[in-house]
Amino acid sequence: DQQVKQNSPSLSVQEGRISILNCDYTNSMFDYFLWYKKYPAEGPTFLISISSIKDKNEDGRFTVFLNKSAKHLSLHIVPSQPGDSAVYFCLMIPTNFGNEKLTFGTGTRLTIIP
Amino acid sequence: DGGITQSPKYLFRKEGQNVTLSCEQNLNHDAMYWYRQDPGQGLRLIYYSQIVNDFQKGDIAEGYSVSREKKESFPLTVTSAQKNPTAFYLCASSDWTANEKLFFGSGTQLSVL
Repeated sequence: DQQVKQNSPSLSVQEGRISILNCDYTNSMFDYFLWYKKYPAEGPTFLISISSIKDKNEDGRFTVFLNKSAKHLSLHIVPSQPGDSAVYFCLMIPTNFGNEKLTFGTGTRLTIIP
Repeated sequence: DGGITQSPKYLFRKEGQNVTLSCEQNLNHDAMYWYRQDPGQGLRLIYYSQIVNDFQKGDIAEGYSVSREKKESFPLTVTSAQKNPTAFYLCASSDWTANEKLFFGSGTQLSVL
């Protein structure tokens, strides 16, 4: 039972345009949402996060949107750059964070075309 | 510099052999985790530990073992019972009391000879 889905396993975007990555979830008890970026053969690095009390958080070229009623999380990257080519994972933190089974999405491979 | 160190970066295992992956952190985090990544799949939890001398099975613990004798260290042993060990293994740590994010090591690629 996949609680978090990233329905696009891959995405190609022209350099300079907007990249939009999405996560859909089923559990309404997530409290905190994070995006990670991962290059091949490296550990994921933290990108941006949002708490459940907000619907938008911005950091430079990266903006995360949360639609709690639709249980939908998205990451916007604008303008997209070649260095953004990586796999992106969303991570959901449950309200009862004493239960350490954190839930990752399946990942979306983003390719920026020069 | 605080962080998580995983070693080795690449590891090869022979049939029937146990191998141990190292994970050390100097972030003073209580919780540590081991994840496995296979091509085209999300990160899957193998084991986690919230405190020294205590650990819990994750979603895919069969064929693996861990120990947590020190706060800084959480080694993962891939036993001969793990029939499909080839994967990329990631160690992580966190201090969720401050709602901090998860910190990851650089990973170990394990392959079977």
